[in-house]
Amino acid sequence: DTEVTQTPKHLVMGMTNKKSLKCEQHMGHRAMYWYKQKAKKPPELMFVYSYEKLSINESVPSRFSPECPNSSLLNLHLHALQPEDSALYLCASSQDALGTGSGANVLTFGAGSRLTVL
Amino acid sequence: AQTVTQSQPEMSVQEAETVTLSCTYDTSESDYYLFWYKQPPSRQMILVIRQEAYKQQNATENRFSVNFQKAAKSFSLKISDSQLGDAAMYFCAFFNYNFNKFYFGSGTKLNVKP
Repeated sequence: DTEVTQTPKHLVMGMTNKKSLKCEQHMGHRAMYWYKQKAKKPPELMFVYSYEKLSINESVPSRFSPECPNSSLLNLHLHALQPEDSALYLCASSQDALGTGSGANVLTFGAGSRLTVL
Repeated sequence: AQTVTQSQPEMSVQEAETVTLSCTYDTSESDYYLFWYKQPPSRQMILVIRQEAYKQQNATENRFSVNFQKAAKSFSLKISDSQLGDAAMYFCAFFNYNFNKFYFGSGTKLNVKP
């Protein structure tokens, strides 16, 4: 299995809703990432989990809450979002966030979850 | 600060021709990785090619090759025999060990004309 699977593919939510984005990989990768991508822009890093611990939080508003239940799963809990949070949310994983092996720093991306906040 | 610059917002190439996408970066690090990722309209980011900074030899992957000039901090991507399926947004990316982060350029949209 060489994939990162993200669900749902599309999500529409109101500003008072609570929803979650899910990401799963079975490649044995120990680092997982959330990126936010606006149209025609590069991905912006939000969070990094390394060995199931949050290692980087890029000053993301608390209405976004990441969770890493185990080494294969990564969730992004959404609450009280704003319309400007509408974007493509990409999950990625890498073999080892800090390693130097041949595959250590290659990001494997999921297909993304397209979020629309009304 | 680490920055990655792609100066070509959009480029076009005729099918079967060759095109080169430019990327420059700024870093004080001596050891790092450089990548080209492709994002087609299907939106999934796909790794095209990877280069370790300590390797002088330019990486190649089939029709894709890079021209890595470490002193000039330049990392261009050459696509030979362009195919319609190559049409996508291409992002240059830099990985910094010390900050454990990937830095992406602004992207170049590649159009392939039949």
